[in-house]
Amino acid sequence: KNQVEQSPQSLIILEGKNCTLQCNYTVSPFSNLRWYKQDTGRGPVSLTIMTFSENTKSNGRYTATLDADTKQSSLHITASQLSDSASYICVVTRPADGLTFGKGTHLIIQP
Amino acid sequence: EPEVTQTPSHQVTQMGQEVILRCVPISNHLYFYWYRQILGQKVEFLVSFYNNEISEKSEIFDDQFSVERPDGSNFTLKIRSTKLEDSAMYFCASSAWHEQYFGPGTRLTVT
Repeated sequence: KNQVEQSPQSLIILEGKNCTLQCNYTVSPFSNLRWYKQDTGRGPVSLTIMTFSENTKSNGRYTATLDADTKQSSLHITASQLSDSASYICVVTRPADGLTFGKGTHLIIQP
Repeated sequence: EPEVTQTPSHQVTQMGQEVILRCVPISNHLYFYWYRQILGQKVEFLVSFYNNEISEKSEIFDDQFSVERPDGSNFTLKIRSTKLEDSAMYFCASSAWHEQYFGPGTRLTVT
């Protein structure tokens, strides 16, 4: 069964600190892996997209890594800001159009 | 910056009624999608649409659902006879290629 598992389920950190979110997937065949940020009550916003041949991709303070052999990805957030409080969702795409979403990690940044 | 828009933002309907959710994708995009997110759960793929036909649909997208692109700008999702379990946020997305841009969502409440 095609699945995307994320950990931790929720995370609270202090403003200015770094954090790393994890994603394991069993989706096959694999086309690309995406990380989205979803604010409460809003649609997801894309942060990074990586194909199987890419190991890392950065978008400002966000850096995603991908190990296609172990089917693991991580999202590292540097120098967190209050506006980073959101759900971070790992999404895996198969060659067809459908996306398989993880349940997300709910991140809270405290001042 | 162009964005995907959705109307209405919130729709309340009685069980058994038909609802139409509307989306205006980004103008030069060719691929269109509907997703839903039941409160507290992960985002789920419903259907993708390209070249005026469905390219992929999930098992959720049964005969009660239909999509249409009635003119050059709108993309609609119709639910023929709503059930209580259809209550969710419905997100429309569009893409020119890989990157999908999500709308703000329509919250559907079935009573």
